[in-house]
Amino acid sequence: SYVLTQPPSVSVAPGQTARITCGGNNIGSKSVHWYQQKPGQAPVLVVYDDSDRPSGIPERFSGSNSGNTATLTISRVEAGDEADYYCQVWDSSSDSYVFGTGTKVTVL
Amino acid sequence: QITLKESGPTLVKPTQTLTLTCTFSGFSLSTSGVGVGWIRQPPGKALEWLALIYWNDDKRYSPSLKSRLTITKDTSKNQVVLTMTNMDPVDTATYYCAHIDTVTIIGAFDIWGQGTMVTVSS
Repeated sequence: SYVLTQPPSVSVAPGQTARITCGGNNIGSKSVHWYQQKPGQAPVLVVYDDSDRPSGIPERFSGSNSGNTATLTISRVEAGDEADYYCQVWDSSSDSYVFGTGTKVTVL
Repeated sequence: QITLKESGPTLVKPTQTLTLTCTFSGFSLSTSGVGVGWIRQPPGKALEWLALIYWNDDKRYSPSLKSRLTITKDTSKNQVVLTMTNMDPVDTATYYCAHIDTVTIIGAFDIWGQGTMVTVSS
């Protein structure tokens, strides 16, 4: 089955840029979606189709995808961005939806 | 405005069958491209996709759990039901249902329910 690997944690100072990676075999050929999950809450879609944002999501959230790595970038990080972030794809070979291992973003 | 809400037992015994209901509003499961999926999250762990049903009654299951899962829909009641057989303590998790629209945002769950916690214990 298809595996998506994320770093367990990323730490960033307020106002700086956080980059969260999502590794998968030839992930650049797939559409990657990103979710933010704050403690005790349901996930929220923040980026879809590699780099698009749903309405209401700040422009500070952006994404890219190439080769074997997709990246979620959070610019001008705020305290409210502290959360777990998950990448997700649809894997055609197994006809299933796959989530990444998750990354905890800590704002210092 | 799309909303989804999960309901079901909070506690089940090992070997029992779990039945969860997702009741939604703001969309119809008879609209082309629309689907409802189930995702779970054990305490402190990552999200895991379980199953999805589309507007045309097409169904998809997690390969690792396929033998234990059944997903159905009742379009008239705006509900989707997930059953999971032979429950085990490792199935203890928060279970979410979520909306997907393969026309507007292909492959992403854009709206989620609040989740329901299910504990498996004797």
